[in-house]
Amino acid sequence: GQQLNQSPQSMFIQEGEDVSMNCTSSSIFNTWLWYKQDPGEGPVLLIALYKAGELTSNGRLTAQFGITRKDSFLNISASIPSDVGIYFCAGQRTLAGNKLTFGGGTRVLVKP
Amino acid sequence: DADVTQTPRNRITKTGKRIMLECSQTKGHDRMYWYRQDPGLGLRLIYYSFDVKDINKGEISDGYSVSRQAQAKFSLSLESAIPNQTALYFCATSDPPTRPGELFFGEGSRLTVL
Repeated sequence: GQQLNQSPQSMFIQEGEDVSMNCTSSSIFNTWLWYKQDPGEGPVLLIALYKAGELTSNGRLTAQFGITRKDSFLNISASIPSDVGIYFCAGQRTLAGNKLTFGGGTRVLVKP
Repeated sequence: DADVTQTPRNRITKTGKRIMLECSQTKGHDRMYWYRQDPGLGLRLIYYSFDVKDINKGEISDGYSVSRQAQAKFSLSLESAIPNQTALYFCATSDPPTRPGELFFGEGSRLTVL
């Protein structure tokens, strides 16, 4: 069954706001990844983290690999309308044949 | 043109029918995957293949089969579709030495089983 708990399940953003989401697991992962899915498209990799404690940025996105290797978070700063979509965390374990385990996703919507 | 192409993009079928979803890629990757996406459950791995002669079950392979016809082609079959197989299906490829964990997804095939 699913091993990654991603929260929140959904959120509304207002342009200019900073938002954050996180992913937790009962198991250790060697790699944490964050993907974004735009409506009608497949997910696309945003950020990959390969070392515990690593903090990596990609433009307005910042992600961290938790020191325990059981969690990760993603921050979006100064959100804009095109940030809407579904964000997925994913963990990878070398001993599991490098297969990815995905979180349930965080749906980001724009406040009306 | 998309590097990972799935057909059909949308399909409505009836319980008991056989369905095939096809995937072709121009990325030259050896590794190919089939995932299904359900709301709140994320993406779950159905089958994966690391080369033409290699087929492996994922976490939810029951009710599905696959065929790797060539390096560039990987098809998913539902021998006798049932309503709880209604989902969005994604094909993906990867090239591990380049960026571990990075998957390249197609645009998805939405399947509805009535």
